[in-house]
Amino acid sequence: DQQVKQNSPSLSVQEGRISILNCDYTNSMFDYFLWYKKYPAEGPTFLISISSIKDKNEDGRFTVFLNKSAKHLSLHIVPSQPGDSAVYFCAASGNGNQFYFGTGTSLTVIP
Amino acid sequence: NAGVTQTPKFRILKIGQSMTLQCTQDMNHNYMYWYRQDPGMGLKLIYYSVGAGITDKGEVPNGYNVSRSTTEDFPLRLELAAPSQTSVYFCASSYWAGELFFGEGSRLTVL
Repeated sequence: DQQVKQNSPSLSVQEGRISILNCDYTNSMFDYFLWYKKYPAEGPTFLISISSIKDKNEDGRFTVFLNKSAKHLSLHIVPSQPGDSAVYFCAASGNGNQFYFGTGTSLTVIP
Repeated sequence: NAGVTQTPKFRILKIGQSMTLQCTQDMNHNYMYWYRQDPGMGLKLIYYSVGAGITDKGEVPNGYNVSRSTTEDFPLRLELAAPSQTSVYFCASSYWAGELFFGEGSRLTVL
């Protein structure tokens, strides 16, 4: 039972353009959401987070949008750079102890 | 600046053998976690701990045991290895129930 879903296994974007990665969740008790980036043979690294009291959070080139009514969040990367090529995971939590991860989206930024 | 350190990085086990995956963090984090990642899947929580002496089950705890005798260490024990436990294992820690810091992962193969 996958409570956090990333329905696009892969995404290719030209350098300089916007990358939009999507994530859906089913549990209405989730109130804290995070995005992680993972390179091969490394552990995931934290990118950006958002709590349910907000609908947008920005950090440099990365912006996360949360639509609670649709149970949907997205990560925007503008402008996309070749170094952004990695697997991106979204994660959600409702009690602060357990984080549920999506299956990941592999982003390729084409120079 | 070690962060989260996992050992071993790679291990091959025979069915029925046992082993311990070691995890140490030097950030004085209260929260520690063990996740597994199977090919094409997201990270699944095995066990977590909110402090020394306290552990709790995650989504997929069967076949594993943990202990948390110190703040720094959170070993994961496999008692009777099975092929279904072939996976990449990630240990993570956090200061609070928020941003997780991950180790580099331990790739385990059970034959």
